[in-house]
Amino acid sequence: GAVVSQHPSWVICKSGTSVKIECRSLDFQATTMFWYRQFPKQSLMLMATSNEGSKATYEQGVEKDKFLINHASLTLSTLTVTSAHPEDSSFYICSAIPGTSDYEQYFGPGTRLTVT
Amino acid sequence: RKEVEQDPGPFNVPEGATVAFNCTYSNSASQSFFWYRQDCRKEPKLLMSVYSSGNEDGRFTAQLNRASQYISLLIRDSKLSDSATYLCVVFPASGGSYIPTFGRGTSLIVHP
Repeated sequence: GAVVSQHPSWVICKSGTSVKIECRSLDFQATTMFWYRQFPKQSLMLMATSNEGSKATYEQGVEKDKFLINHASLTLSTLTVTSAHPEDSSFYICSAIPGTSDYEQYFGPGTRLTVT
Repeated sequence: RKEVEQDPGPFNVPEGATVAFNCTYSNSASQSFFWYRQDCRKEPKLLMSVYSSGNEDGRFTAQLNRASQYISLLIRDSKLSDSATYLCVVFPASGGSYIPTFGRGTSLIVHP
């Protein structure tokens, strides 16, 4: 149980385009999902907290107009990187917390984004 | 001071060794604690939760010391497959919301 999927697993896009990443909890409902970014050899950086039915809460320094988060249902959150630039190239990972869990996060397999 | 601090290592140990990592946290109101392991270019995977009374899962033992505000992870009889980065995660209690805070991770290399 507690499986989280992400799609796509990797994507290459041109500078200026937008990319949507989906995060799904497959066998549980998640009122809260988190979006992270990780650059090579660096630690995970929390970007935002996504709550079902409400606006996402962004961490300091993360542009909410550039990283659009939608948590449309209890099993799906999406992150859209708008007008992507090469510096947005990174490993994007989502996590979800089952409603019955004591804050145990389950991570998706991540999406590797390369902007050319 | 960072909210959650870990020695980045790397810890380089032979197979069969016992190795221990510590993780300190600054928020005394922190509620939940976890150890995750992350392999290179992969997502973190939950290793174990850390309970106040301490808990053990096979070769892995986790401890929480609230007075000194640290958690520890002990790995006995290290295997080559234990080589990874170990992340501690702390959930502070803040105004009813909860935001996870990650340590930077401790790198473990187990060699033959």
